[in-house]
Amino acid sequence: AQKITQTQPGMFVQEKEAVTLDCTYDTSDPSYGLFWYKQPSSGEMIFLIYQGSYDQQNATEGRYSLNFQKARKSANLVISASQLGDSAMYFCAMREGGERRALTFGSGTRLQVQP
Amino acid sequence: DTGVSQNPRHKITKRGQNVTFRCDPISEHNRLYWYRQTLGQGPEFLTYFQNEAQLEKSRLLSDRFSAERPKGSFSTLEIQRTEQGDSAMYLCASSDPRRGPYTGELFFGEGSRLTVL
Repeated sequence: AQKITQTQPGMFVQEKEAVTLDCTYDTSDPSYGLFWYKQPSSGEMIFLIYQGSYDQQNATEGRYSLNFQKARKSANLVISASQLGDSAMYFCAMREGGERRALTFGSGTRLQVQP
Repeated sequence: DTGVSQNPRHKITKRGQNVTFRCDPISEHNRLYWYRQTLGQGPEFLTYFQNEAQLEKSRLLSDRFSAERPKGSFSTLEIQRTEQGDSAMYLCASSDPRRGPYTGELFFGEGSRLTVL
């Protein structure tokens, strides 16, 4: 089974509007972390936001917020007031408990912001 | 702090040749990761070091792949007898030991793109 599922291969949004990128995850560990990364065409992976499994409140970082619904195992990224520079690939990732420290990534969503 | 550095940025080689990539993590980051990314896909985990110890290797890491981090600083990833299926972007990342085991985000380099002809 896929650990991280991103069902939207591509999304379009108008500049200045908000957009939600979907992410569902699968784990039986009670302790885990969820991450979102942005990958522009230049290729570098840029960390955006983190949510811990025990965090009571949804994480926010500037225009980015994470809509964390633990019972549904979803961790959707919300980008408010989209900008042209937000056009990129977006990846959801998870780090599970135990000795493993690596992130498992989803297949990504390509976001295109239109003027 | 200059970020994670990877060399070379691009490598074109013929099938059957050996290639080596180098990664210099952010100083004082004791955790170092190698990922592989093919076009249109998310990064796939290859291997992970804590200091000089290689703590985990993915099943994707065949016998032709070997990674080292001899002094707990820079790391090398060598691919022997390259195949066309090895063509991908090889990403290195490091994380801060002062962050918790779940909270520490990965800082990625710009990657090394391998093309096997």
